[in-house]
Amino acid sequence: GIQVEQSPPDLILQEGANSTLRCNFSDSVNNLQWFHQNPWGQLINLFYIPSGTKQNGRLSATTVATERYSLLYISSSQTTDSGVYFCAPSNQAGTALIFGKGTTLSVSS
Amino acid sequence: GAGVSQTPSNKVTEKGKYVELRCDPISGHTALYWYRQSLGQGPEFLIYFQGTGAADDSGLPNDRFFAVRPEGSVSTLKIQRTERGDSAVYLCASSYGPGTEAFFGQGTRLTVV
Repeated sequence: GIQVEQSPPDLILQEGANSTLRCNFSDSVNNLQWFHQNPWGQLINLFYIPSGTKQNGRLSATTVATERYSLLYISSSQTTDSGVYFCAPSNQAGTALIFGKGTTLSVSS
Repeated sequence: GAGVSQTPSNKVTEKGKYVELRCDPISGHTALYWYRQSLGQGPEFLIYFQGTGAADDSGLPNDRFFAVRPEGSVSTLKIQRTERGDSAVYLCASSYGPGTEAFFGQGTRLTVV
């Protein structure tokens, strides 16, 4: 099955800093989602991004499917950005999202 | 409903008991997924329903785990003879179809003592 590697595993930022989170996957995928898991455990949808670039406020994401990676950019980070960020490409059949171990982000004021 | 709803939010049970976890998907979503998340790990796929049928149950760890979705809406995950290793957060998600954007519920935290 698809293997997903996310880096870095942990990231500590000062409020206002920018960051890039990376997701590598081992096989071609038809779609990919990024999630933010808040401290209460809720998985919040950030992007559904099989390819190309999307932006939503301070966040943007780019997936280069042919090179098997996706990037999540966070600009001007805020303390509320803290939590775990997961990348999850789908298997070929679209029946399952395959999650990486996530990047744990801590933003301090 | 407005979002995916899971009940109960917390469940404590004794080793060996039977438990049922419920998921109410977003209205109109025909695809439903169950995942399990252990501490410090990403969610792990268990089973996928398209309508009433379990189209992919490759993630179920053993035959103590079973799930149903009899009317193509609400789903129940059933765990028999629970073990302490079953303790985890069980997450449900739904989407319009396979490979489309999936939305997660808040999860059920299961603790087996």
